[in-house]
Amino acid sequence: QQQVKQSPQSLIVQKGGISIINCAYENTAFDYFPWYQQFPGKGPALLIAIRPDVSEKKEGRFTISFNKSAKQFSLHIMDSQPGDSATYFCAASRADNFNKFYFGSGTKLNVKP
Amino acid sequence: GAGVSQSPRYKVAKRGQDVALRCDPISGHVSLFWYQQALGQGPEFLTYFQNEAQLDKSGLPSDRFFAERPEGSVSTLKIQRTQQEDSAVYLCASSSTENSPLHFGNGTRLTVT
Repeated sequence: QQQVKQSPQSLIVQKGGISIINCAYENTAFDYFPWYQQFPGKGPALLIAIRPDVSEKKEGRFTISFNKSAKQFSLHIMDSQPGDSATYFCAASRADNFNKFYFGSGTKLNVKP
Repeated sequence: GAGVSQSPRYKVAKRGQDVALRCDPISGHVSLFWYQQALGQGPEFLTYFQNEAQLDKSGLPSDRFFAERPEGSVSTLKIQRTQQEDSAVYLCASSSTENSPLHFGNGTRLTVT
């Protein structure tokens, strides 16, 4: 049973548009929610992360929105650029093992020029 | 400085062969993780070391999988009697402490024919 569910599987956005990727989880013991960006042939790289005590975190063009009661969180990429084209993974972990992640299945983002 | 280094980058094995995958973490990093990433999927946790101690091996799929980190730095993931379902990218990641962000290597792509 997948512990973190991610949608959509793929996403096409025009340059300058907003990309939105959604994730949902069931385990209320999760308390750290990172987003990773992965380019072909490369390992995942940490993009931005949030803990459940805040509802939103923004870093540059990237924003995480977190809804604790709904057990959902999302990544918003503002002013999307062709260089943002990559696969994005949400993940979750518990306090007893910070880096033991349960990853979503990934969203392949294509930003068209 | 150098990131997490994995070798080989690609490995083709005949079904039934044994393979060994190497990970050189970032110097001084205490925590080391192995993840398995099937094609088109998110990474899945395999095992975790803190220094030379293997603290969690709950994700290893079978007793054919074995990991070690004898001196608390370089780690080797060994797969005995490889099967086709072992074909995946094997990612190694390290962090400076238990609760600091993970840095992933670029992985070893294993193909079992």
